[in-house]
Amino acid sequence: DTAVSQTPKYLVTQMGNDKSIKCEQNLGHDTMYWYKQDSKKFLKIMFSYNNKELIINETVPNRFSPKSPDKAHLNLHINSLELGDSAVYFCASSQGSVVGEQFFGPGTRLTVL
Amino acid sequence: GENVEQHPSTLSVQEGDSAVIKCTYSDSASNYFPWYKQELGKRPQLIIDIRSNVGEKKDQRIAVTLNKTAKHFSLHITETQPEDSAVYFCAATGGSQGNLIFGKGTKLSVKP
Repeated sequence: DTAVSQTPKYLVTQMGNDKSIKCEQNLGHDTMYWYKQDSKKFLKIMFSYNNKELIINETVPNRFSPKSPDKAHLNLHINSLELGDSAVYFCASSQGSVVGEQFFGPGTRLTVL
Repeated sequence: GENVEQHPSTLSVQEGDSAVIKCTYSDSASNYFPWYKQELGKRPQLIIDIRSNVGEKKDQRIAVTLNKTAKHFSLHITETQPEDSAVYFCAATGGSQGNLIFGKGTKLSVKP
């Protein structure tokens, strides 16, 4: 049974389009995250939500908008996609507000043409 | 803000040898230091972590050491096996909300 799942696994789209990535966790965790991993494998946090409230927003263009309908879901919507948005996006979750183990989803490989 | 430096960026060892990856951090308030392993095309997975009140932690062939004074921590893998080949990331708590700041990764290759 999957702990953290993401859809879709692959996303290929044209510049200027709008797309969404969905994330769900069945671990009962309070905190969820979005990370971006670029072609050099650098892992950088984008957003963090705790109990549906945004707690981290790390210098991300406002074309990226996270939405958390409930604490088990954190979706990422991206407007006006640019070439530089091509990357693997990982969702993750952790328990509680004290930093501890983060469980990552399988990733979504976004390619912008 | 927090800065995490990781070395080396690539490491090649013979099967059975030991591998050591080192990280330094800048924020003296950092209190949690995990290590993640990412196999090709897969998700990062936690392999070991340490908190600032502990100097060393071991789990079978893997160990992590922490030197708070020098602000560095290291991953030690003994008796390496080909399945240890992966990219390894260190991380430390930092940032405005105590989130994890990751190092740039070390690609470990274990040759049979």
